[in-house]
Amino acid sequence: EAGVAQSPRYKIIEKRQSVAFWCNPISGHATLYWYQQILGQGPKLLIQFQNNGVVDDSQLPKDRFSAERLKGVDSTLKIQPAKLEDSAVYLCASSLVLGRTNEQFFGPGTRLTVL
Amino acid sequence: QQQVKQSPQSLIVQKGGIPIINCAYENTAFDYFPWYQQFPGKGPALLIAIRPDVSEKKEGRFTISFNKSAKQFSLHIMDSQPGDSATYFCAASMSTGGFKTIFGAGTRLFVKA
Repeated sequence: EAGVAQSPRYKIIEKRQSVAFWCNPISGHATLYWYQQILGQGPKLLIQFQNNGVVDDSQLPKDRFSAERLKGVDSTLKIQPAKLEDSAVYLCASSLVLGRTNEQFFGPGTRLTVL
Repeated sequence: QQQVKQSPQSLIVQKGGIPIINCAYENTAFDYFPWYQQFPGKGPALLIAIRPDVSEKKEGRFTISFNKSAKQFSLHIMDSQPGDSATYFCAASMSTGGFKTIFGAGTRLFVKA
């Protein structure tokens, strides 16, 4: 089966510019996650969708970050305006919750550099 | 309470050695504890997971030991190989919370040939 697709793979922008990332989850996976992974740290959850509804966005900096998941499939994450501290890898993951387990499948990530 | 503390930060072992990575959590509501493996330039991939109703789980050369009373769990890699060189993340999540997952900071493992 095809994995989680993300684009672009790399992006370099100036601070205060805008940027958008795209994610296509594994077909049939109702849950979609966006994580921020700063170099040398573990992934930090930004937002979690169940179909096209938000389950958790408590750690999303809502003054500059936004995300949507139209029709419960693809998702986009936007940063506007970007700050230097937003430099990180943005990971998208999807999962199909089965009973009491939850295996998340991660995409390759988008490496963002803010200059 | 939402943190997962992971140690060590990095680890170097000889081929055939048994690296051990430790994690600790505070929130007793966590009920699912996965370990993820990440290679450079790739997203994390699930390695093995455990629930708190068992004290140990083995899958191939990977073993999780779980101590519910101490709120600690660890990953052991038996007969480690150079191909196991990667970053390992422990994590904790709550099935009642939609499986919101908190990751540890990661351990960079290098297995010398």
